[in-house]
Amino acid sequence: QQQVKQSPQSLIVQKGGISIINCAYENTAFDYFPWYQQFPGKGPALLIAIRPDVSEKKEGRFTISFNKSAKQFSLHIMDSQPGDSATYFCAASILRAGGTSYGKLTFGQGTILTVHP
Amino acid sequence: DAGITQSPRYKITETGRQVTLMCHQTWSHSYMFWYRQDLGHGLRLIYYSAAADITDKGEVPDGYVVSRSKTENFPLTLESATRSQTSVYFCASRLTDNSPLHFGNGTRLTVT
Repeated sequence: QQQVKQSPQSLIVQKGGISIINCAYENTAFDYFPWYQQFPGKGPALLIAIRPDVSEKKEGRFTISFNKSAKQFSLHIMDSQPGDSATYFCAASILRAGGTSYGKLTFGQGTILTVHP
Repeated sequence: DAGITQSPRYKITETGRQVTLMCHQTWSHSYMFWYRQDLGHGLRLIYYSAAADITDKGEVPDGYVVSRSKTENFPLTLESATRSQTSVYFCASRLTDNSPLHFGNGTRLTVT
């Protein structure tokens, strides 16, 4: 059972272009949606995150767009750079106060992004 | 440098052998997690722990055992390794259930 589905599996973008990665979730109880970035030989690291009370969050060149009714969220990387080449994971968890989920993250399948110079 | 350390970085073992992957964090984080990363599956949760002596199963716990006698350590044991357990294993920790999750650099395990 894949509760978070991510696409595409791989993405090639030219330097300066826009990279877009999409995720869809099934569990309507999810209320925290982070994106993680992973470089080869390293563990994933938190890139940006959003809660469902807003439809968009921007941090520098990275933007999360969130559509609660469609149960979808996406990562947009503006002005993509070769240094952005990495694997990106979307994730979701339940952070509702008083819950017992311990903030367990459910990850998507990952997207390998390659930005050509 | 404080952080989360996994050992070994690489391990080759034979089918049927017992293997233990180590995870140590210096932040005194309450929550710790073990994930496995496989192409096409992303990161899947094996086990997690909310505090010392409190552990619970994740999405893919079969064939694995964990313990947490001390807050800073969270070892993962494969009781009888199988080829399907060939994977990259990541340990992670977080201070509270809504703080950022920090990952180690992983252990690449090959079962022959």
